[in-house]
Amino acid sequence: QVQLVESGGGLVKPGGSLRLSCAASGFTFSDYYMSWIRQAPGKGLEWVSYISSGYTIYYADSVRGRITISRDNANNSLFLQMNSLRAEDTAIYYCARGGNLWYFDLWGRGTLVTVSS
Amino acid sequence: EIVMTQSPATLSVSPGERATLSCRASQSVSSNLAWYQQKPGQAPRLLIYGASTRATGIPARFSGSGSGTEFTLTISSLQSEDFAIYYCQQYNNWPPLTFGGGTKVEIK
Repeated sequence: QVQLVESGGGLVKPGGSLRLSCAASGFTFSDYYMSWIRQAPGKGLEWVSYISSGYTIYYADSVRGRITISRDNANNSLFLQMNSLRAEDTAIYYCARGGNLWYFDLWGRGTLVTVSS
Repeated sequence: EIVMTQSPATLSVSPGERATLSCRASQSVSSNLAWYQQKPGQAPRLLIYGASTRATGIPARFSGSGSGTEFTLTISSLQSEDFAIYYCQQYNNWPPLTFGGGTKVEIK
């Protein structure tokens, strides 16, 4: 079954860290670029980060310097290391697969990150 | 950064009626535009890419049009399962990839 399953979300204090994971199955993970996209409660979608199959990486300005995206093609996994977390990072974080260009044709169900003291 | 603006914010439509959603880009994105549908508690689902190409499994009642800075998503005859929030996304000039603020299609 073609799917993405995120994990690793939870409650963390401001300034804390969290590592999100995304397990891919049902397709050749190494062939695809991947992204993390987030959605604050009751808000719209915000692109966070991108990693290509060749490990080219981009970040949104709002997270650059605090977040690191990585992938493990051998284990069909995508990661997001989040440091120095702020209240405004509170959101559902979705893992998404890239289509032929830079739109997203497969999304996971998301994992909720809550940053609060 | 390209800013995507969707209108209206909320669209009230009766089942069986036509819905027309708009998306405007702050500068040309050519045809590099996608539309997504999101239902409560669910992840977004790709509907349209390349401004007008339906994604796999998307019913023909969904159609996209436009290029440059003005785009439209049309749902020809709304079904009960179509009441949701719709987002547009440009992928012509990035980073960053940017989304519109969404249009909520609700039952009239």
